[in-house]
Amino acid sequence: QVQLVQSGAEVKKPGASVRVSCKTSGYTFNNYGIIWVRQAPGQGLEWLGWISAYNGNRDYAQSLQGRLTMTTDTSTSTAYMDLRSLRSDDTAIYYCARGIKRLGDLSSALNDFWGQGTLVTVSS
Amino acid sequence: DLVLTQSPDSLAVSLGERATINCKSSLSLFYNSNNKSFLAWYQQKPRQPLKLLIYWASIRESGVPDRFSGSGSGTDFTLTISSLQAEDVAVYFCQQYYSAPSITFGQGTRLEIK
Repeated sequence: QVQLVQSGAEVKKPGASVRVSCKTSGYTFNNYGIIWVRQAPGQGLEWLGWISAYNGNRDYAQSLQGRLTMTTDTSTSTAYMDLRSLRSDDTAIYYCARGIKRLGDLSSALNDFWGQGTLVTVSS
Repeated sequence: DLVLTQSPDSLAVSLGERATINCKSSLSLFYNSNNKSFLAWYQQKPRQPLKLLIYWASIRESGVPDRFSGSGSGTDFTLTISSLQAEDVAVYFCQQYYSAPSITFGQGTRLEIK
């Protein structure tokens, strides 16, 4: 069965960086992409970005441009999200989900499987 | 930007009664090439990840009880729980994937037992 398993909770100081991993199984990794979404305490869901495991294309939310990097390791079917220069308002649960393979590929657009979430706390 | 607005923000329904949540999109989510609306519904319980309930606006995900149904097309959509059960207490989100990979969610509707 399809599974996305994320790395454990992180506590970071302001200005530091964090890496969250998303290890996938149960499907052909490079037939899809991975999106990342976060949910601040008591808030809604914010799309952070996407990376295609098929061709490496990326698209990031404008609000995080310059601080966010997404990568994939096809040998381990794992996606990574790196966020730099952390601030207190980056405190949130970060989720990965299976997503669109490449731009225009409607058949893979649905985000049908999600990771369990990773709590990132930024505090001095 | 494509905005989804859910109503109401919160809802209290008696056990066994019907619950209805609406989602309105600022742009049509209907794609002529496949005659489908790119709208999904998710359930989120405390300390749990999102659970997909409905996709293509009206297709129930495998394993989801048939008391959950989705309807609508274009810009107006509805999630209906026909007979509320205690385990349905959760926050419900609509999501558009029309502009995938950039997706957006509604603000969420909190469903409680009256």
